[in-house]
Amino acid sequence: GNSVTQMEGPVTLSEEAFLTINCTYTATGYPSLFWYVQYPGEGLQLLLKATKADDKGSNKGFEATYRKETTSFHLEKGSVQVSDSAVYFCALTPPYGGSQGNLIFGKGTKLSVKP
Amino acid sequence: NAGVTQTPKFQVLKTGQSMTLQCAQDMNHEYMSWYRQDPGMGLRLIHYSVGAGITDQGEVPNGYNVSRSTTEDFPLRLLSAAPSQTSVYFCASSYAGWGDTEAFFGQGTRLTVV
Repeated sequence: GNSVTQMEGPVTLSEEAFLTINCTYTATGYPSLFWYVQYPGEGLQLLLKATKADDKGSNKGFEATYRKETTSFHLEKGSVQVSDSAVYFCALTPPYGGSQGNLIFGKGTKLSVKP
Repeated sequence: NAGVTQTPKFQVLKTGQSMTLQCAQDMNHEYMSWYRQDPGMGLRLIHYSVGAGITDQGEVPNGYNVSRSTTEDFPLRLLSAAPSQTSVYFCASSYAGWGDTEAFFGQGTRLTVV
């Protein structure tokens, strides 16, 4: 079946530090891959996505590359800010419809950035 | 454009009580879903719908009912609340449940069952 595994948190960084949050997946075929972010007290919102191998999604200084050979979609940012403090979820959707439709999430990684 | 609207935002129930969590979207999305979010568990799918009149179970459906009479609304019913249903509930909608379609989430309902 389809599943997502992401690194356990929490992750605490100082402002301007480099961020990596690891995400690997198991899926049939070629899923679409996403990173969603949840700021305190809010719902989830899409941060970035990639739909095929070697695609790079990017937004707000965050990047992730769809690596088919390692089934990975690691999230990176070169210089984090206090405002990046949130919970980050890696997720996938299958390439086709059916009973396995809908997003499949990892467990989330809480990031805290200290000034 | 309101997006996905959930009500209420907070609720406290006594064990055995029933209630309905409301979810409405104004984007004409066919796919709607309910998730629960628990510490260390991420988001788990409760029920989903691929269109009006069509619903199906997700990963953790026990204790919850849903119906989809219109495209816009997808209420979640707790028939007899239990402390294990204490959680944060999120409703989501999307154009399709697969491929590169973005899901839009409501702000959540924090439910406590005592």
